[in-house]
Amino acid sequence: DTGVSQDPRHKITKRGQNVTFRCDPISEHNRLYWYRQTLGQGPEFLTYFQNEAQLEKSRLLSDRFSAERPKGSFSTLEIQRTEQGDSAMYLCASSFSQGALVNEQFFGPGTRLTVL
Amino acid sequence: QQQVKQSPQSLIVQKGGISIINCAYENTAFDYFPWYQQFPGKGPALLIAIRPDVSEKKEGRFTISFNKSAKQFSLHIMDSQPGDSATYFCAASWRTSGSRLTFGEGTQLTVNP
Repeated sequence: DTGVSQDPRHKITKRGQNVTFRCDPISEHNRLYWYRQTLGQGPEFLTYFQNEAQLEKSRLLSDRFSAERPKGSFSTLEIQRTEQGDSAMYLCASSFSQGALVNEQFFGPGTRLTVL
Repeated sequence: QQQVKQSPQSLIVQKGGISIINCAYENTAFDYFPWYQQFPGKGPALLIAIRPDVSEKKEGRFTISFNKSAKQFSLHIMDSQPGDSATYFCAASWRTSGSRLTFGEGTQLTVNP
């Protein structure tokens, strides 16, 4: 396991369709984060998991978005009824956290979503 | 609320020169300040990071300078190379927030040969 992987790398969909992205973190990492990055901007936090528990959700995460991390391993991010404004790069990152010690976040290559 | 402001938006440097990118933050609870490098079509990769108990950290050609009282930190790239051409993001986080990162707007660095 050499890093964080994401699938698919690119997704083109029509407005109104549902899409699901997958993230596989580095195997020993207990924290998993989702970020969204639009063109020319820095990534923006969406949500994060500690093991299987979703501990925080950004107000950017509307009720059309849902994320899961069953069994504390891979995670999925689903967007229902996609809108053109959802077009962005969706980035996943993972890290190891133990008590107060939090290590760096390693990012995956991202999933580029285009909503037509 | 933009909590981390980054400048300049773009920077052009000659090979061998020094690249300097600046960031300012608002939230005094931040306790971790990383810099990420991103190439087109790739995810961000950590370059170097600093905690507020030190004023400077150096790793190879990359140095972070940190000014806690001014709530500012900067990245210096010495002997800049064409391969350094990328987008650089500063970020900040704090442990009680789950260490989620708040990113700056990014600086597109071009190093001319």
